[in-house]
Amino acid sequence: DAKTTQPTSMDCAEGRAANLPCNHSTISGNEYVYWYRQIHSQGPQYIIHGLKNNETNEMASLIITEDRKSSTLILPHATLRDTAVYYCIAFGGTASKLTFGTGTRLQVTL
Amino acid sequence: DVKVTQSSRYLVKRTGEKVFLECVQDMDHENMFWYRQDPGLGLRLIYFSYDVKMKEKGDIPEGYSVSREKKERFSLILESASTNQTSMYLCASSFRGSTEAFFGQGTRLTVV
Repeated sequence: DAKTTQPTSMDCAEGRAANLPCNHSTISGNEYVYWYRQIHSQGPQYIIHGLKNNETNEMASLIITEDRKSSTLILPHATLRDTAVYYCIAFGGTASKLTFGTGTRLQVTL
Repeated sequence: DVKVTQSSRYLVKRTGEKVFLECVQDMDHENMFWYRQDPGLGLRLIYFSYDVKMKEKGDIPEGYSVSREKKERFSLILESASTNQTSMYLCASSFRGSTEAFFGQGTRLTVV
């Protein structure tokens, strides 16, 4: 599975868009990009995933570059409740090792 | 709603004890996973299972074993607990071919 690189931490003002980057330069053609988040004292929660096209759901948008070597998770109007650690994972093929890195700690402030 | 239930939220055990951490899911998922989470190290995969009686080592299997006798239950076993196994342990499950994994609330294990 491709290794991903994320910034250790980011800040965002409440109400503004939070843009969380992820590099996955070794991603292969059949690997999806998945995003999870973990709010303090809870288990990780699935947010969104994509292969090549941009995706949007009720929680977030995912923008994947054309060469698929990086992606950005966008929380369009961040709230204090979005303060969490966000994990980007590149994964493909059969269900096997689902591995997480250390993620980005997003702090949303007033 | 998918539910992944871990048997204990908090557990304190003595060094050398055999420890069982239990995880049950109610969505008929094929895949189940055990992770530990430590400050600064993120989530690290210990073992996973993609079917009953099947298991695969993750990134840090040393000191652990697992058991999957029934599809809904995946047990993590510490044969002889040590203080460096003090951690938060998280169980997850998913359908085969999907990594939309659902996590339990975690068990915070302290080994004294």
